Amino acid sequence: NAGVIQTPRHKVTGKGQEATLWCEPISGHSAVFWYRQTIVQGLEFLTYFRNQAPIDDSGMPKERFSAQMPNQSHSTLKIQSTQPQDSAVYLCASSLASQNTLYFGAGTRLSVL
Amino acid sequence: GDSVTQTEGLVTLTEGLPVMLNCTYQSTYSPFLFWYVQHLNEAPKLLLKSFTDNKRPEHQGFHATLHKSSSSFHLQKSSAQLSDSALYYCALRLSNTGYQNFYFGKGTSLTVIP
Repeated sequence: NAGVIQTPRHKVTGKGQEATLWCEPISGHSAVFWYRQTIVQGLEFLTYFRNQAPIDDSGMPKERFSAQMPNQSHSTLKIQSTQPQDSAVYLCASSLASQNTLYFGAGTRLSVL
Repeated sequence: GDSVTQTEGLVTLTEGLPVMLNCTYQSTYSPFLFWYVQHLNEAPKLLLKSFTDNKRPEHQGFHATLHKSSSSFHLQKSSAQLSDSALYYCALRLSNTGYQNFYFGKGTSLTVIP
């Protein structure tokens, strides 16, 4: 079991460019979560899928952030027109529906210059 | 709304002294509470979670007790070790719906010094 896999580990974009972050959940896990991690805000919830369906995107900045889960083996988080304040570590986590445990990936560190 | 508060952003302790990291919560339902730990350059991982039968969870010398009367789930350890230096997050999950969202606090960075 390779755990939750996130790619790339690091991404550097220029202001205004697009960034796409990838997440492969643990096989068999039906819930996938995206969080943004910063020193100031800690772990901020972005969005959540269950059985590939979007359940809650209340944490997503609406204009520029979007997330999809086209199949059970991967999810993407897309940020359009990136801004310096988007710089953060983006963490993906998955869990079994019957468990109270989140398994996190190592994260993607996004740096917007 | 449902939320978690961790009052200390940074805690520095001398090795061997007791650890107590604060966590309080607000929840509209009866929640599950968790502590996650993140060591440098690693992913967060589960340290402890509350039980429904009021047992006190323990792991790696850490324990936490869910006090519904004070809405708290403080993390404690009797004697800090250098390897305990890490970022600790308290989290809450709503339990009485099929909803599985997890709400995290802002985290407490613990540094243990010799």
